[in-house]
Amino acid sequence: QKEVEQDPGPLSVPEGAIVSLNCTYSNSAFQYFMWYRQYSRKGPELLMYTYSSGNKEDGRFTAQVDKSSKYISLFIRDSQPSDSATYLCAMSVGSGNTPLVFGKGTRLSVIA
Amino acid sequence: ETGVTQTPRHLVMGMTNKKSLKCEQHLGHNAMYWYKQSAKKPLELMFVYSLEERVENNSVPSRFSPECPNSSHLFLHLHTLQPEDSALYLCASSQDEEDTQYFGPGTRLTVL
Repeated sequence: QKEVEQDPGPLSVPEGAIVSLNCTYSNSAFQYFMWYRQYSRKGPELLMYTYSSGNKEDGRFTAQVDKSSKYISLFIRDSQPSDSATYLCAMSVGSGNTPLVFGKGTRLSVIA
Repeated sequence: ETGVTQTPRHLVMGMTNKKSLKCEQHLGHNAMYWYKQSAKKPLELMFVYSLEERVENNSVPSRFSPECPNSSHLFLHLHTLQPEDSALYLCASSQDEEDTQYFGPGTRLTVL
């Protein structure tokens, strides 16, 4: 079993839709969870950063972590064509020289 | 712009060539990273440097040789590469090895 599983998509939604992106993981020691957004031909940029379980909201984006189910989600409300990108989940067991483990990324297209 | 720059942005090389990738960060960070991003694969961590010392080497072949002369610069020296080494090579930096990493735009490498 891969350490982090993420459906690569592609996922295509109409403008204004609510988008749900998900990752599952197998290592219960993961405590730090991140979502990165990567536009075509650019490096990933940090979108959301959460510690342990719970929700975090930032504008149209909400990150959820359910450690009991080893499942994390990123919700995008009122999706825009500019949200079209690849979204990568990443996680680590802790801060201080612990490497990030990434999912494969989900390619999202928001159609106007 | 994330404050992390990479040069060149594109590189084509033969299997017998020697080339170097350069990364520079203007964020005052103490940790720098090299990642490899291949098509349809998760991001792979290659090397981690903290305060100019290598602290992580994820079993990377010796044909990849990193160098970190100071906390702002990171190089990846390439020699006798294989076609399967063709990928996007991403550099990232973070403050004191914390998990929030900022990525450069990457170097698209093609090995013929």
